[in-house]
Amino acid sequence: GENVEQHPSTLSVQEGDSAVIKCTYSDSASNYFPWYKQELGKRPQLIIDIRSNVGEKKDQRIAVTLNKTAKHFSLHITETQPEDSAVYFCAATGANNLFFGTGTRLTVIP
Amino acid sequence: DGGITQSPKYLFRKEGQNVTLSCEQNLNHDAMYWYRQDPGQGLRLIYYSQIVNDFQKGDIAEGYSVSREKKESFPLTVTSAQKNPTAFYLCASSTTRGNTEAFFGQGTRLTVV
Repeated sequence: GENVEQHPSTLSVQEGDSAVIKCTYSDSASNYFPWYKQELGKRPQLIIDIRSNVGEKKDQRIAVTLNKTAKHFSLHITETQPEDSAVYFCAATGANNLFFGTGTRLTVIP
Repeated sequence: DGGITQSPKYLFRKEGQNVTLSCEQNLNHDAMYWYRQDPGQGLRLIYYSQIVNDFQKGDIAEGYSVSREKKESFPLTVTSAQKNPTAFYLCASSTTRGNTEAFFGQGTRLTVV
């Protein structure tokens, strides 16, 4: 089955700096890569996603890049704000299911 | 108001008891999933269902059981065979087999007392 690895597990940045979270996947057939944000005590919610026919996607301060050859994809958050503090999960489709990374706890220091 | 609803939000279980967690969706989604969330271990797949009356084991199915008698409902039973059931359980649904956005319920925190 699919194996998704996510790094780092924790990340602290100063407000206004950028944050990058990286994930790798194992199944070359995976074709959908979403990112979810989970605030404390709340449900995960989709913040951005990318499909395998696209190399990069941007939505305001958030961007995702995908390298199919290397089987890795990354989340980039620019101009971080305190409300960006949360746990972020990457995911990849494999065998018709969604497999998640272990999460990154992002802390934005005011 | 469309969405996916889990109940209860908090659940306490005595050792040796079975408990059932409810998950209902009115999004007309075919696929439904149960994940377990432990600190530092992300979301691990317990069971999934792509269609009514059919479901498959995920990575950590031992000690759990499910049913899918209706499209809208996918209850999870935590049996006494699950040795470490204390965790946060999340139900999710999506339109197709994992390659579209998954919508999550608000979760059920199960504690064994």
